[in-house]
Amino acid sequence: ETGVTQTPRHLVMGMTNKKSLKCEQHLGHNAMYWYKQSAKKPLELMFVYSLEERVENNSVPSRFSPECPNSSHLFLHLHTLQPEDSALYLCASSQGGLRGNTIYFGEGSWLTVV
Amino acid sequence: GESVGLHLPTLSVQEGDNSIINCAYSNSASDYFIWYKQESGKGPQFIIDIRSNMDKRQGQRVTVLLNKTVKHLSLQIAATQPGDSAVYFCAENYGSGYSTLTFGKGTMLLVSP
Repeated sequence: ETGVTQTPRHLVMGMTNKKSLKCEQHLGHNAMYWYKQSAKKPLELMFVYSLEERVENNSVPSRFSPECPNSSHLFLHLHTLQPEDSALYLCASSQGGLRGNTIYFGEGSWLTVV
Repeated sequence: GESVGLHLPTLSVQEGDNSIINCAYSNSASDYFIWYKQESGKGPQFIIDIRSNMDKRQGQRVTVLLNKTVKHLSLQIAATQPGDSAVYFCAENYGSGYSTLTFGKGTMLLVSP
C-alpha cells in the first residue's frame, strides 16, 4: 500500500473512445502529478497540480486532459488517443515542491490503445 | 507480469551476495537524489534518498553513496534476496520546482536462488 491509489489498473480503449484514469492519495500531500512510463523512455512528467491548480503542463497533447477537483483526487481524461500512447500512466504526490521532498507513486494504470 | 524499461542494463547476482547498482547523474546543480525500486507490474517504490551535503546514507540493508566530484550515485544492497529482483532507478532533483526531478533509465537486478 503506497498511499496513492490508481484505477483502473488496466484499460484497453479504441482510438475513438473517451475514458478516464483516476488517482486518489491518502498521504495528506498538496501536490499531485501524472507521469508516463513507456518501454523506450525514462519516466516523463506530464502534469503537476499544486493545491488544485495546474502548475506544469509538459507539452502534453490536448488529447490528454487532467482534472484536479481537490488536493486528494486527480483525473486524466483520455480522448482520441493514438496507439503510441499505450504506456503505464503513473500518478504521484508530494508535500510541497520537490526540494528535498520525496515523490510517492501509485501502482499505475496500464493503458493499451487499439 | 508486465514490465517497462526493456533493454535495460542488467545485473545478475546470487542470493546472499551484495549488489551494487550505479547511476551517473547529469546536473552538477542537483542537490537531492532518490533511489526507486520498480517490481514487474507495479509503480516505483521509494527506497532511500540522500542530500548533496552528505556522501553516504544507510537504510535497512541498503546504502547510498554520493560522489559529487564525478556526479555518481550508487545503491548497495546487502545480502540480496530474490525479492530484491526489480528495476532500480535513480532520480536527481536540481531545484525547488515541481518539474525538476529527472529520472534515469534504470538497471534491472536479477537475483538467483
